[in-house]
Amino acid sequence: GENVEQHPSTLSVQEGDSAVIKCTYSDSASNYFPWYKQELGKGPQLIIDIRSNVGEKKDQRIAVTLNKTAKHFSLHITETQPEDSAVYFCAVRSSNTGKLIFGQGTTLQVKP
Amino acid sequence: EAGVAQSPRYKIIEKRQSVAFWCNPISGHATLYWYQQILGQGPKLLIQFQNNGVVDDSQLPKDRFSAERLKGVDSTLKIQPAKLEDSAVYLCASSDSEGGDYIQYFGAGTRLSVL
Repeated sequence: GENVEQHPSTLSVQEGDSAVIKCTYSDSASNYFPWYKQELGKGPQLIIDIRSNVGEKKDQRIAVTLNKTAKHFSLHITETQPEDSAVYFCAVRSSNTGKLIFGQGTTLQVKP
Repeated sequence: EAGVAQSPRYKIIEKRQSVAFWCNPISGHATLYWYQQILGQGPKLLIQFQNNGVVDDSQLPKDRFSAERLKGVDSTLKIQPAKLEDSAVYLCASSDSEGGDYIQYFGAGTRLSVL
């Protein structure tokens, strides 16, 4: 079955710095790659997603890059702010099963 | 637009007791998902409904877990009897998959503690 590895598990940056989180996957039939942000006591919230026919997508301070050949994708947050502090999850959707498989999560701490 | 509603927010029970969770998806969303999120891990799919039919329940421990979506709208997830390892957050999500949208919208979840 699909396997999704996410790194790092924790990340601490100074306010204003950039943060990068990486995920690798195993199923070459995967076609959709969302990133979710989860704050304490809340459900995951979609922050950006990318489909397999696109290599990069940007939304203000957030960007996602996808390398289908290497089977990895990354979340980039620039000019980090304290309110970016949360747990971030990558996920992969297989076109065969339609299921979303989540990574293990990255706890991001932005220090003021 | 109202989001995915779940209740209760918290539940504490003793092992071997039963518990039920309720979910009301976003209006018009045909697909409903139940996930289990153990502390420090990503959500894991338990069951997926398309309207009132089960699409995938391969990860549902059917000896103790059951779920239904009788009228194709809201859904309940039940655990009977509960075990200590069932302590987790149970998340409900919905998507407009019939419109070709893969995006899943999550509720706030129910935090279950089994003592």
